[in-house]
Amino acid sequence: DTAVSQTPKYLVTQMGNDKSIKCEQNLGHDTMYWYKQDSKKFLKIMFSYNNKELIINETVPNRFSPKSPDKAHLNLHINSLELGDSAVYFCASSQEGEKGGPPYNEQFFGPGTRLTVL
Amino acid sequence: AQSVSQHNHHVILSEAASLELGCNYSYGGTVNLFWYVQYPGQHLQLLLKYFSGDPLVKGIKGFEAEFIKSKFSFNLRKPSVQWSDTAEYFCAVSQAGTALIFGKGTTLSVSS
Repeated sequence: DTAVSQTPKYLVTQMGNDKSIKCEQNLGHDTMYWYKQDSKKFLKIMFSYNNKELIINETVPNRFSPKSPDKAHLNLHINSLELGDSAVYFCASSQEGEKGGPPYNEQFFGPGTRLTVL
Repeated sequence: AQSVSQHNHHVILSEAASLELGCNYSYGGTVNLFWYVQYPGQHLQLLLKYFSGDPLVKGIKGFEAEFIKSKFSFNLRKPSVQWSDTAEYFCAVSQAGTALIFGKGTTLSVSS
């Protein structure tokens, strides 16, 4: 069973195009994230959604727009793609712990989407 | 600013050698600590995590890490590496309800 899935796995496109990446988790988690891994393998948070509401929006160009139709899905739409957008994009999800218990914040990652902008 | 530092950018070892990868963080308050591994061409997998309790944490594949609060460190260790441990290793920190902040990663190359 795939816990966190992403489509597509590979995406090659021209500069200026608009594209979307989809993410779905079947873990019943409340929080989902998008991370970007650049060519030097550095991972950085882009967005975080909790129960369909945006809670983290790091310094990301507004060409990037996340959309969460329900708590199991978090899609990433990118307008006017640029060369610098080429990267691997990882989706992740997590579930906070029970009240009074440990702050359970383990994140489960999807397989990644390798975006190449030509 | 909150940050995570991994001291070793690229580590090259022979099989059966011992491994220690350094990780330091700059956060106040309670933190959750993680080590993730990324095998070539694959996604991130959790090696081990620390939330509270025993500061010596054992993970999968023979890895362990020790949380030293006074040093703000969470170093990863393995007594004897194998060729299959060749991968990218990421230390990450979060506080409850927040996203992970990753270190820049350490590339481990193990020769057989």
